[in-house]
Amino acid sequence: GQNIDQPTEMTATEGAIVQINCTYQTSGFNGLFWYQQHAGEAPTFLSYNVLDGLEEKGRFSSFLSRSKGYSYLLLKELQMKDSASYLCAVMDSNYQLIWGAGTKLIIKP
Amino acid sequence: GAVVSQHPSWVICKSGTSVKIECRSLDFQATTMFWYRQFPKQSLMLMATSNEGSKATYEQGVEKDKFLINHASLTLSTLTVTSAHPEDSSFYICSAISGGREETQYFGPGTRLLVL
Repeated sequence: GQNIDQPTEMTATEGAIVQINCTYQTSGFNGLFWYQQHAGEAPTFLSYNVLDGLEEKGRFSSFLSRSKGYSYLLLKELQMKDSASYLCAVMDSNYQLIWGAGTKLIIKP
Repeated sequence: GAVVSQHPSWVICKSGTSVKIECRSLDFQATTMFWYRQFPKQSLMLMATSNEGSKATYEQGVEKDKFLINHASLTLSTLTVTSAHPEDSSFYICSAISGGREETQYFGPGTRLLVL
């Protein structure tokens, strides 16, 4: 079967760095997405990785290793507004999205 | 864990035809389902919120006569794109909220619509 695993919840301190991991097992791979979702809002696109390596975009970076079926989202200089759920989703060989359950990130002052 | 399915996965149709997309919660009852539209590498755009047994709530700018939503049961919501045109080509994603002590939102795999 296909599945995506990510931690259910993480806590970090304002100003610190946090890494949210995502491991996947899917039939085929056509890219991995990270989304941020605040309560009651639609998911916001953060990143898309299809090749191995690190993609940096401001305070957020996303890493992919296809051979290991692994990705992480790195958030630097954490701000209170970064408190949200972070969703990992993989597009399989049929261009279907397989979703992780999301990681709830709690930022403390 | 909870799973949300969509059918069909892909649909190609001629301009002017209507297309129905189903969203099902497979092992839980969903009091609320959402329909989103996604453009490549962009955020999910909420189209409407669907509650079982009542009319859907549409977001501003979404034509309710064009995107008909029917939430007939606690496990099924349908989105019908009426008189589809090429600009309606997109990736449509549904999600469902399971009730209980801790509401969790589960996303479907998406339906890719191509209107020729």
